[in-house]
Amino acid sequence: QKEVEQNSGPLSVPEGAIASLNCTYSDRGSQSFFWYRQYSGKSPELIMFIYSNGDKEDGRFTAQLNKASQYVSLLIRDSQPSDSATYLCAVSNSGTYKYIFGTGTRLKVLA
Amino acid sequence: EPEVTQTPSHQVTQMGQEVILRCVPISNHLYFYWYRQILGQKVEFLVSFYNNEISEKSEIFDDQFSVERPDGSNFTLKIRSTKLEDSAMYFCASRKGTGGGQYFGPGTRLTVT
Repeated sequence: QKEVEQNSGPLSVPEGAIASLNCTYSDRGSQSFFWYRQYSGKSPELIMFIYSNGDKEDGRFTAQLNKASQYVSLLIRDSQPSDSATYLCAVSNSGTYKYIFGTGTRLKVLA
Repeated sequence: EPEVTQTPSHQVTQMGQEVILRCVPISNHLYFYWYRQILGQKVEFLVSFYNNEISEKSEIFDDQFSVERPDGSNFTLKIRSTKLEDSAMYFCASRKGTGGGQYFGPGTRLTVT
């Protein structure tokens, strides 16, 4: 069973701090990695994706991928109360159309 | 900015009834998906659709489920005989090409009584 694991949280950080969200996956054939944000009662919203080992930055967000360790993370700089949401990690294998989601980490940014 | 739309936003049905959930993906997208999310649980893949056929489906997507793209814009999910455990939020998503992420619609909350 191919799994994507995330700590359910909540992860609490003060406003202005860096929030670090982590995700591990079991399928070594995974090629594509996605981070989504989901507010309560709403649909997942794509934040960013990463395919290659290393860091990828987009505004206040940085995705980090380490395929050897089967680990992907999302850093949120200068966290704002509006960033309070559940962050979902999703993984896809190049040989499949299927995306597997983790259960998500709930982030609370304290004003 | 183009977005995925879904109708209805909430559907209440009795057990054993058929329901059709409708989606309009982003117009230049080629890959279409249905997911479900039971309250408090994770987003679960149901089916992917490309080039007018199912490209992959999960164990959840049994004979009670079907998908269709009846015209150039709509993408539907039919549940033939609903069960109580089908109560969930159903999300449609679309993706432009082989790279990039999926964009989700707002969802349809299905309640089976």
